[in-house]
Amino acid sequence: IAGITQAPTSQILAAGRRMTLRCTQDMRHNAMYWYRQDLGLGLRLIHYSNTAGTTGKGEVPDGYSVSRANTDDFPLTLASAVPSQTSVYFCASSARGGDNEQFFGPGTRLTVL
Amino acid sequence: QKEVEQDPGPLSVPEGAIVSLNCTYSNSAFQYFMWYRQYSRKGPELLMYTYSSGNKEDGRFTAQVDKSSKYISLFIRDSQPSDSATYLCAMRSNAGGTSYGKLTFGQGTILTVHP
Repeated sequence: IAGITQAPTSQILAAGRRMTLRCTQDMRHNAMYWYRQDLGLGLRLIHYSNTAGTTGKGEVPDGYSVSRANTDDFPLTLASAVPSQTSVYFCASSARGGDNEQFFGPGTRLTVL
Repeated sequence: QKEVEQDPGPLSVPEGAIVSLNCTYSNSAFQYFMWYRQYSRKGPELLMYTYSSGNKEDGRFTAQVDKSSKYISLFIRDSQPSDSATYLCAMRSNAGGTSYGKLTFGQGTILTVHP
């Protein structure tokens, strides 16, 4: 089934640890995104990539890094996790960077203690 | 002040009711307006989108945009328990550069339709 997969589904992490959230899409979409969703704040863009080999900063990029080595994968790394990074993380993709429709993965629930 | 404001609710209505969900925004450059639906523990999915001002209807759903008031609405007619979800408005401009293609989301409204 075509779509976006994210791993892990959930994770509890000690503060200060490094963590990589994985995202893979099989729709050959050019653009990919990482959002975090927090109660009362909605979805906020962390980083994005309009095409393989390029990335850009979103609204809340501090403490996160991304890479886009190929079309299908867009991992998000927390270099040294802090409790304020406790959130639900969604990866999304769209055929092109300017598309209105973004396709979202099922999310990763991350708790940083 | 956030660029997009949405009343988080929660909103609880009986089956068959007409539901009105709303967002206001401050960025006059926004040209595309979307509504996403998110079921519990799932990712959001696009429900409808409109370009600039006007209405768009799709079955029981109607999206309205009033750019002069910077106000958008989603109406759900004959609401069903299966409509219970979080509804997020989203917007984007035609701008290029660092704003290209970026969606700005509202906080989301939690809707429950009870039988």
